[in-house]
Amino acid sequence: EDKVVQSPLSLVVHEGDTVTLNCSYEVTNFRSLLWYKQEKKAPTFLFMLTSSGIEKKSGRLSSILDKKELFSILNITATQTGDSAVYLCAGLSGNQFYFGTGTSLTVIP
Amino acid sequence: DTGVSQNPRHKITKRGQNVTFRCDPISEHNRLYWYRQTLGQGPEFLTYFQNEAQLEKSRLLSDRFSAERPKGSFSTLEIQRTEQGDSAMYLCASSFRRGLGRRDTEAFFGQGTRLTVV
Repeated sequence: EDKVVQSPLSLVVHEGDTVTLNCSYEVTNFRSLLWYKQEKKAPTFLFMLTSSGIEKKSGRLSSILDKKELFSILNITATQTGDSAVYLCAGLSGNQFYFGTGTSLTVIP
Repeated sequence: DTGVSQNPRHKITKRGQNVTFRCDPISEHNRLYWYRQTLGQGPEFLTYFQNEAQLEKSRLLSDRFSAERPKGSFSTLEIQRTEQGDSAMYLCASSFRRGLGRRDTEAFFGQGTRLTVV
């Protein structure tokens, strides 16, 4: 059965901390791994990873995929209160996106 | 606005009534997905369309649920005889699936329709 598992389920940090969010996947006919940020509304796209070992960066966020070990990490450095959200990981198969339950990140001032 | 548009944003209905939601995807996207999300959970796949063809339906999609995408553009999701367990956020997403060996685009989500069945 296809599944995506994220850890930790929730995380509370102070502003300025660095966090690492984990995503492991078992997806048939795997094509890509995607990260989304969700703040009480629709998920907004962060990264799409297709190749192993190539880090993608956007400001303080970065992500990398390991297709051999079937996992991805999302790093956020120098966290800010605006980073508080649920971060969703999704594996794209031939037909659909399989989502994890998300990691709820709370950044305390 | 060229993003994915869903309406209504909120819907409150009495148990047993029928409801219909609409999704307008990004115009050049050939794939359209419907997901359902409940509190504390990630989005759960319901169904998807490639152009006007409905190619896959989840086991979650009981016979009370039906989706259409008649001209390969907008889509509707209808729930008949609503039950309290249908209360959730219904998300629509669209993407562009390229041919074999070519990279897909990411899926862009609409703002969702929040359904409350009382």
